[in-house]
Amino acid sequence: ETGVTQTPRHLVMGMTNKKSLKCEQHLGHNAMYWYKQSAKKPLELMFVYSLEERVENNSVPSRFSPECPNSSHLFLHLHTLQPEDSALYLCASSETGGSGEQYFGPGTRLTVT
Amino acid sequence: AQKVTQAQTEISVVEKEDVTLDCVYETRDTTYYLFWYKQPPSGELVFLIRRNSFDEQNEISGRYSWNFQKSTSSFNFTITASQVVDSAVYFCALSEVYNFNKFYFGSGTKLNVKP
Repeated sequence: ETGVTQTPRHLVMGMTNKKSLKCEQHLGHNAMYWYKQSAKKPLELMFVYSLEERVENNSVPSRFSPECPNSSHLFLHLHTLQPEDSALYLCASSETGGSGEQYFGPGTRLTVT
Repeated sequence: AQKVTQAQTEISVVEKEDVTLDCVYETRDTTYYLFWYKQPPSGELVFLIRRNSFDEQNEISGRYSWNFQKSTSSFNFTITASQVVDSAVYFCALSEVYNFNKFYFGSGTKLNVKP
């Protein structure tokens, strides 16, 4: 595997379900990110982990819970979501510091029914 | 505050036409980086180019070229002789050097290249 991978690619869940999104990067980076991309809205930064510590939580509801067990893996745990949470969830990684480009995974298309 | 504006929501061109995607940014930082990404229908954002605030040289890569002008806070992207495969959403982004690589993305420009 190369680059940034995300699983699953598609997910349909009910509002009472609990599921997790997984992201893995094979680039040797030490910062990872979760973004939400809704239709006709700009990319929204949700969480940032740098050196496995959460450094940004962009006022995201508590029904989204991130986890970063090591610099290569990032999870987004989901529970009691709402239909408006349906979106494309993108994971990215980069070197820490402001100069590095972020590399994105293919995303998980989430539908909440 | 940092902000990136892509005023063109959607552009349609016919194959082989040249097209320019506009990007205007706002920042109080003197050191910053600018980026362009391409998002094809598959969804994955693909990195195209990075520019730092001290390098105003224009860059050309094949059919792609970028024009960075600090005086007008713009970082425009031109595709020469467009092709159907160029159809995608293109995002411009600004990063804060001193804030763990936080990106500010524009709202994107959807480019439709028709055969």
